[in-house]
Amino acid sequence: GAGVSQSPSNKVTEKGKDVELRCDPISGHTALYWYRQRLGQGLEFLIYFQGNSAPDKSGLPSDRFSAERTGESVSTLTIQRTQQEDSAVYLCASSLDFRSYEQYFGPGTRLTVT
Amino acid sequence: AQSVAQPEDQVNVAEGNPLTVKCTYSVSGNPYLFWYVQYPNRGLQFLLKYITGDNLVKGSYGFEAEFNKSQTSFHLKKPSALVSDSALYFCAVRDRENTPLVFGKGTRLSVIA
Repeated sequence: GAGVSQSPSNKVTEKGKDVELRCDPISGHTALYWYRQRLGQGLEFLIYFQGNSAPDKSGLPSDRFSAERTGESVSTLTIQRTQQEDSAVYLCASSLDFRSYEQYFGPGTRLTVT
Repeated sequence: AQSVAQPEDQVNVAEGNPLTVKCTYSVSGNPYLFWYVQYPNRGLQFLLKYITGDNLVKGSYGFEAEFNKSQTSFHLKKPSALVSDSALYFCAVRDRENTPLVFGKGTRLSVIA
């Protein structure tokens, strides 16, 4: 079956612009996660959704970052007024529910802020 | 708070030799431990997990990991490395079912023919 998909695969934007990153989870997966992976770094947890609800937003780096999920499906991660330090690969993952042990990752969106 | 450490940024091993990628963790309760692998330009793939039971866990592609509670370690191993095993490996931990995974910084494995 189809895995987790993310779009765009690559995004180059100018400093100060807003960007939207999209994640399509595996059908039927109620939990969805966003991570950030900076060059040479590990995965930094940003936010997760159980259904359409995001119980813990404390991982978001600043108030320029927001995420939403509608219909227990697609999620978008929005970064407003992008800064160069936002350059990273943004990974999305999904699982059956938040208690599930295995997360399935998408290929990521590589964001470059110039 | 839960945390995980991968003390080696890079591991080099000759093809056919055994490999070990190290991971230590810190949690307040019983750990749920995971290994993921990331091939170039691809997303992370699940390799194996330890939840409970036998300390030696077998996973995909011939990998295994040993849970050692006294040493708070969960090292990834493979008896005979392949060039195709070259990738970035991440250890991850969660201490309860309802907490997010915390990932290590990753270890880059290079298997040399």
